[in-house]
Amino acid sequence: QKEVEQNSGPLSVPEGAIASLNCTYSDRGSQSFFWYRQYSGKSPELIMFIYSNGDKEDGRFTAQLNKASQYVSLLIRDSQPSDSATYLCAVNPISGNTPLVFGKGTRLSVIA
Amino acid sequence: DGGITQSPKYLFRKEGQNVTLSCEQNLNHDAMYWYRQDPGQGLRLIYYSQIVNDFQKGDIAEGYSVSREKKESFPLTVTSAQKNPTAFYLCATRQTGYNSPLHFGNGTRLTVT
Repeated sequence: QKEVEQNSGPLSVPEGAIASLNCTYSDRGSQSFFWYRQYSGKSPELIMFIYSNGDKEDGRFTAQLNKASQYVSLLIRDSQPSDSATYLCAVNPISGNTPLVFGKGTRLSVIA
Repeated sequence: DGGITQSPKYLFRKEGQNVTLSCEQNLNHDAMYWYRQDPGQGLRLIYYSQIVNDFQKGDIAEGYSVSREKKESFPLTVTSAQKNPTAFYLCATRQTGYNSPLHFGNGTRLTVT
């Protein structure tokens, strides 16, 4: 059973701080990793993806991947109240079109 | 506009009735998926299709049925056999190829009373 684990939260951070969201996965053969943001009552939207070990930056977001530790994280710098949402980690177990495996999400609350 | 259209946005049904949720896409993606999300819960895969006229069961297929007669369309029927159908239903598509992300529609919120 392929699993993706996330701390459900809520993770509370003050405005302007760095929010760190973490995700671990069980399938060592996993190839690609995605972070989705989901506002309450809305559908998930893709915010970051990462395929290679190391860091990938996009604006205030940084995705970090460590395949040896089977760990992927999302950092949000200068957190804003508008970042308050649930963040879903998704993992592609093998190459091709097998369904992504989703974690249950971490709820982030940015306090003004 | 390119995208995924789910309709209706809200749907109300009486217990014992079948109901069909629509999902149409013009992204030319081969793969389409249906997920269910309950309050405070993650996404659970119901069915998926990687090619026209073929589909596979996901983790919670019981009480649901699908068809894939056209590349653009992947309707989901919630049958009366589904014990707890009230939920938020999400349709998603994916480009064929290595490492492609999922793209989601706006969802249909189904309430059965």
